[in-house]
Amino acid sequence: GQQLNQSPQSMFIQEGEDVSMNCTSSSIFNTWLWYKQEPGEGPVLLIALYKAGELTSNGRLTAQFGITRKDSFLNISASIPSDVGIYFCAGHNTNAGKSTFGDGTTLTVKP
Amino acid sequence: DAGVTQSPTHLIKTRGQQVTLRCSPKSGHDTVSWYQQALGQGPQFIFQYYEEEERQRGNFPDRFSGHQFPNYSSELNVNALLLGDSALYLCASSYYGQGAQGYTFGSGTRLTVV
Repeated sequence: GQQLNQSPQSMFIQEGEDVSMNCTSSSIFNTWLWYKQEPGEGPVLLIALYKAGELTSNGRLTAQFGITRKDSFLNISASIPSDVGIYFCAGHNTNAGKSTFGDGTTLTVKP
Repeated sequence: DAGVTQSPTHLIKTRGQQVTLRCSPKSGHDTVSWYQQALGQGPQFIFQYYEEEERQRGNFPDRFSGHQFPNYSSELNVNALLLGDSALYLCASSYYGQGAQGYTFGSGTRLTVV
């Protein structure tokens, strides 16, 4: 079945630093999504990407849909303590009606 | 406007028992998807319900079944519980055909099987 490889598994950074994480797949997706999950909560959508090569920003977050449609990355600039959480990538194909998630990147930000 | 509501928030069951988890979708949403999230992993798709029918199913055994009611709420049933069924069960609601960007996730039900 489809699998997503998300890296790194965890990151420990200083407040103010930039963060980069990525996701690769053996299969093509027509939508890539990035979520953040905090303890005791469900995932919350950060950015959705619909087109190969697309670069989209949401505040300090920037994500790109890889040209091959098999990868995506998320950058967070000037990290702050409230960025702490687990970030998940997900690939979605409309016909399949389901999303396939990576195993997440746990981000810790030291003040 | 209430978001997705899941109940109960936590429960503990014994191996071999049966469990029912409940989900009320966000107002205006007509589709409910269920995901299983094991500790340290990403959510895995179980199935999706629309118009009271199972529309898509992931790679889960028949012990996992569901139901959707006319008011769009949904239940997830798991029979013959195994230790490996311990996980956070997430419900996501959406408007049919909107795609994953329309998902709203609930906070989940934490199931522990002992």
